Amino acid sequence: AQSVTQLDSHVSVSEGTPVLLRCNYSSSYSPSLFWYVQHPNKGLQLLLKYTSAATLVKGINGFEAEFKKSETSFHLTKPSAHMSDAAEYFCVVSNTGFQKLVFGTGTRLLVSP
Amino acid sequence: DTGVSQDPRHKITKRGQNVTFRCDPISEHNRLYWYRQTLGQGPEFLTYFQNEAQLEKSRLLSDRFSAERPKGSFSTLEIQRTEQGDSAMYLCASSLGIRGEDTQYFGPGTRLTVL
Repeated sequence: AQSVTQLDSHVSVSEGTPVLLRCNYSSSYSPSLFWYVQHPNKGLQLLLKYTSAATLVKGINGFEAEFKKSETSFHLTKPSAHMSDAAEYFCVVSNTGFQKLVFGTGTRLLVSP
Repeated sequence: DTGVSQDPRHKITKRGQNVTFRCDPISEHNRLYWYRQTLGQGPEFLTYFQNEAQLEKSRLLSDRFSAERPKGSFSTLEIQRTEQGDSAMYLCASSLGIRGEDTQYFGPGTRLTVL
């Protein structure tokens, strides 16, 4: 069975400071991993995905994530937070056929001026 | 807008009533998925279709739930005899269905409130 654990339910940063959202995964085989973002009253939007190519994955809006097999981690980072980054972020793992996404419980990112 | 659309966006119903939600996927997408998201949780997989065939159903999908995708286009999710525990956001997603490149694109969701 596959699962992801998001280590922080809430993360607070100041605008212009770095963002780190932590995710650990569990999978019996090479996983596909994703980060999705959910803004209030809007649909889930894909930020980035890892599918066994480069371990450092660049996504939209300046976000990136690094797949570390030895640590079973897929943490999301951004060098400088913007107010518009405030949202709920989900780490997601998928089976090889992509039929089913398994979501973490989410991390709410709060950005203060 | 050529994204995934869902209708209605909000539904309030009384316990015991039946409700039906509709999802229109991105036009060239072969796969369609339903998820349920309760407050404070991540979405949970319910079921998915490859064209008109329903290929997998979660244990979360009780006998009161039924999903269809006639002609492999739009899909409907029906909940019979609603219960208060059914209150949630119901999300639909679609994807191309190409192995190795099958990103799921989500609609805005239907928020169900059962009184």
